[in-house]
Amino acid sequence: AQKVTQAQTEISVVEKEDVTLDCVYETRDTTYYLFWYKQPPSGELVFLIRRNSFDEQNEISGRYSWNFQKSTSSFNFTITASQVVDSAVYFCALSAVQTGANNLFFGTGTRLTVIP
Amino acid sequence: EPEVTQTPSHQVTQMGQEVILRCVPISNHLYFYWYRQILGQKVEFLVSFYNNEISEKSEIFDDQFSVERPDGSNFTLKIRSTKLEDSAMYFCASSEGFWRNTGELFFGEGSRLTVL
Repeated sequence: AQKVTQAQTEISVVEKEDVTLDCVYETRDTTYYLFWYKQPPSGELVFLIRRNSFDEQNEISGRYSWNFQKSTSSFNFTITASQVVDSAVYFCALSAVQTGANNLFFGTGTRLTVIP
Repeated sequence: EPEVTQTPSHQVTQMGQEVILRCVPISNHLYFYWYRQILGQKVEFLVSFYNNEISEKSEIFDDQFSVERPDGSNFTLKIRSTKLEDSAMYFCASSEGFWRNTGELFFGEGSRLTVL
């Protein structure tokens, strides 16, 4: 079975603070993909990153960075120097080969509020 | 920038009525998807569609649901007899190829369905 847990329901930070959003996943599959999506107040889902299970290299994109650790089944997302525009719900998602080609399992999301 | 567009943005219907949600995927994309998000909950996969047929569907996608690509641009989700529990945000998504190769699902802004 596939499962994604985002234990942090809501986080509030003051602008310019760093914040880390946690994501823990479960799968028995050895080949899988992990994603982060952003859902701003307007409602759409904005793709942020995809990672496959064979690539544990951490990634940085501007103020965003991702820490993938297979040993702890975690794929955490850090925003450095947060801004008000970062306020959104962030979803971590998993897709494993055994479940089929197109099925993304989403976590319940973390609502981030950045206070000016 | 190309985008997935969905109509209507919000539809209110009476229980038992038929509803059709429409999506225009990005023009050169070949794979199409519907996901839904019950208010405040996780995003859930419904169905994927390729080459004019369903390639995968979830347990949620029962006989009350159907999808169609009636012409070269639209992709529709039909709910034959709506139930209260169908109230949700429905997201259409598309990808250029098999997303595991291309890396990204592009989501629309969603269609909010309210069943009374």
